[in-house]
Amino acid sequence: DQQVKQNSPSLSVQEGRISILNCDYTNSMFDYFLWYKKYPAEGPTFLISISSIKDKNEDGRFTVFLNKSAKHLSLHIVPSQPGDSAVYFCAGSGATNKLIFGTGTLLAVQP
Amino acid sequence: SAVISQKPSRDICQRGTSLTIQCQVDSQVTMMFWYRQQPGQSLTLIATANQGSEATYESGFVIDKFPISRPNLTFSTLTVSNMSPEDSSIYLCSVPSGLGETQYFGPGTRLLVL
Repeated sequence: DQQVKQNSPSLSVQEGRISILNCDYTNSMFDYFLWYKKYPAEGPTFLISISSIKDKNEDGRFTVFLNKSAKHLSLHIVPSQPGDSAVYFCAGSGATNKLIFGTGTLLAVQP
Repeated sequence: SAVISQKPSRDICQRGTSLTIQCQVDSQVTMMFWYRQQPGQSLTLIATANQGSEATYESGFVIDKFPISRPNLTFSTLTVSNMSPEDSSIYLCSVPSGLGETQYFGPGTRLLVL
């Protein structure tokens, strides 16, 4: 049972445009949702999170939207930059602080 | 955020041998987590390591295969025992943030088993 799903394995966007990465979940007990960015040969880097009681959180170029009724969240990056090219993972976190990760989306930002 | 280091950064091992991975944190933390990322896959939690008690393993992972030590609040080791090529993965440790709403990850150990 995959509790967190990222249905798009890859996404290509032009520099300066908006990148939208999507994530769906099935576990209603998650307290937080998180987005991580991962470069090859490095550990994941925390980007932004959102509490399950919120519907939006913004930090600079990154905004996460949460739609609880649809069990869907999305990460918006605007404007996209070539340095944003990486694999993006969404994850859910519950009472035990364990992270359940999605399968990741490879974002390529074209100059 | 916590600064986390792992040793070794990468290794190539023969099947049937064991490898111990070290994780060092620059601050004291109660919980440490060990994850695995198999090629092309997502990150999967192996176990939670608490200081002073036995690690708690997730479904599909057992202590005999992945023994964990947690001798103090800044250090942990994960051993991958009796390795097979299927154990070729990136192994990562992580620690929760102060409020516990996120985790910070080490750089990972890239393991290739031949």
